[in-house]
Amino acid sequence: AQTVTQSQPEMSVQEAETVTLSCTYDTSESDYYLFWYKQPPSRQMILVIRQEAYKQQNATENRFSVNFQKAAKSFSLKISDSQLGDAAMYFCAYRSDVSGANSKLTFGKGITLSVRP
Amino acid sequence: NAGVTQTPKFQVLKTGQSMTLQCAQDMNHEYMSWYRQDPGMGLRLIHYSVGAGITDQGEVPNGYNVSRSTTEDFPLRLLSAAPSQTSVYFCASSSYLNTEAFFGQGTRLTVV
Repeated sequence: AQTVTQSQPEMSVQEAETVTLSCTYDTSESDYYLFWYKQPPSRQMILVIRQEAYKQQNATENRFSVNFQKAAKSFSLKISDSQLGDAAMYFCAYRSDVSGANSKLTFGKGITLSVRP
Repeated sequence: NAGVTQTPKFQVLKTGQSMTLQCAQDMNHEYMSWYRQDPGMGLRLIHYSVGAGITDQGEVPNGYNVSRSTTEDFPLRLLSAAPSQTSVYFCASSSYLNTEAFFGQGTRLTVV
């Protein structure tokens, strides 16, 4: 079974600074997807960024980028130019690429990010 | 598009009561899932479905039932509520064409 580990329960960043959230995972599969989800106080789950394991290039979405190290099974999220609206809980998640696995995400425990003005 | 709609948003139950959490999606997605979120535990998969008439258990299925009679709806039934089922419940859907899962707004359930 796959596992996802987020070892830091909380982090804090100064507005406009850069912060990196860590995530490691364990799997025996070679093809899979990794995701970062944001959950603000509204409780809504918002997809921040995704990474396909077969792609060597790290995914980027505006101020959000990942450092995907497949051999090390590491998937960290970097938030540049942090904004007050980035304050939320962030979840790292894994999904297998096998048929029918679209409905099965494995989540880490999450990290609460606070942004200091 | 409404996306994924969960009802109710909040619910308080007494121990032993039964209830159904509703989930509907209007995106014609094949895959639907139920997760529960507990403090310090992340989201854990309860049950999932890969299509109408097909369901399977996830990581924490005990105390819950599901059925998928239509593509659109995937209700979660609590048979006899227990305080350990106090949690926030999320329904999600996705398509085989897309890697993204779409989540409902969640249901905060308290069992007293």
